[in-house]
Amino acid sequence: DAKTTQPPSMDCAEGRAANLPCNHSTISGNEYVYWYRQIHSQGPQYIIHGLKNNETNEMASLIITEDRKSSTLILPHATLRDTAVYYCRNTGNQFYFGTGTSLTVIP
Amino acid sequence: ETGVTQTPRHLVMGMTNKKSLKCEQHLGHNAMYWYKQSAKKPLELMFVYSLEERVENNSVPSRFSPECPNSSHLFLHLHTLQPEDSALYLCASSLLKGGGPPYNEQFFGPGTRLTVL
Repeated sequence: DAKTTQPPSMDCAEGRAANLPCNHSTISGNEYVYWYRQIHSQGPQYIIHGLKNNETNEMASLIITEDRKSSTLILPHATLRDTAVYYCRNTGNQFYFGTGTSLTVIP
Repeated sequence: ETGVTQTPRHLVMGMTNKKSLKCEQHLGHNAMYWYKQSAKKPLELMFVYSLEERVENNSVPSRFSPECPNSSHLFLHLHTLQPEDSALYLCASSLLKGGGPPYNEQFFGPGTRLTVL
């Protein structure tokens, strides 16, 4: 059962980095970690994914621990439009979304 | 705009009505999905179609009937729904490709907000 666990909510000041953690202690060696976000009443949006190396794209950075049991999504300069629910999941749980982390960016 | 469109965006129906939700993807993907999201609850996977064949049916009541006539279109036929079926219904698609992560990233449509009276 490849479930992930995330804190239910976080706040972040506008302009600061938002660091969103995810535990995936049962992940197996060939499973990827994916991050999505869902802005209120819209469909989820893919952000980034990784296997073992850290990854960066125009939206965010993904840091995966060496033992791959956890990861952190980093939004380097959070804006008010980043207020959303953020979900992490892995390919062992590939269709499923948990409860995610509700991030509120505060002006 | 993700390349996945859903119609209608809003739907109000009575418990005795029959209606259909439509999803279309313009991304060349070969897997499509229906999700349900009730108020303040996580997304619930309903159905998965891969290469136009249903590969997952997540214990969904028979009053919800999916149809995937081709790789670009997905329907959800609704009949004799209950008020508790009121929710946001989301369609998604993804590309299956060999050698990469299975099912890859999903692209979601904007959803249909369904209200059952």
